[in-house]
Amino acid sequence: SQQGEEDPQALSIQEGENATMNCSYKTSINNLQWYRQNSGRGLVHLILIRSNEREKHSGRLRVTLDTSKKSSSLLITASRAADTASYFCATDEDGTASKLTFGTGTRLQVTL
Amino acid sequence: DADVTQTPRNRITKTGKRIMLECSQTKGHDRMYWYRQDPGLGLRLIYYSFDVKDINKGEISDGYSVSRQAQAKFSLSLESAIPNQTALYFCATSDLVQGRPGELFFGEGSRLTVL
Repeated sequence: SQQGEEDPQALSIQEGENATMNCSYKTSINNLQWYRQNSGRGLVHLILIRSNEREKHSGRLRVTLDTSKKSSSLLITASRAADTASYFCATDEDGTASKLTFGTGTRLQVTL
Repeated sequence: DADVTQTPRNRITKTGKRIMLECSQTKGHDRMYWYRQDPGLGLRLIYYSFDVKDINKGEISDGYSVSRQAQAKFSLSLESAIPNQTALYFCATSDLVQGRPGELFFGEGSRLTVL
């Protein structure tokens, strides 16, 4: 079963706007990671946030983690057409073997 | 050259045929994974391996088998392919960071169609 669920499933914005994607999960985690996938391609790691961290930044990306609500958000600021892709959260569940469980993804479309 | 290489990239086969998807990596990672991606379902873990002698089932291992021939090579087999195994398959590798999985490095995927 899927551990994480992203919301919304699809998001369409204009270039320059900010995009926010949310991930909810069910169990305690050690860390949460965000990945990007261009259509039909392999996933690319964006950022990792540990369970004892609340916020992390990388360039135009900002990730927050709220372990009390079992949720995370990914904010892409000043979006570009090249940001068009699917974005997935993946969780490292506490008490399990070291493997990641992926959510269902958010499809982001950035138009000019 | 890519860090994680999958072959074949595309394969069309018939029901009942045996299929092997191969994965090789140059990252030097001990941990390797096979995931399956279906539209709307995200990625689901089929098998994973922490070293050559360690193979573990994921959430959807039925109908699949794997072989870890070396640290760098991890192959996925479908002994008798069926149409609902039509999907995009990904191999990935990772290292450990503070005892937990770090960043996964993915191959470009193997698109399998079973007729």
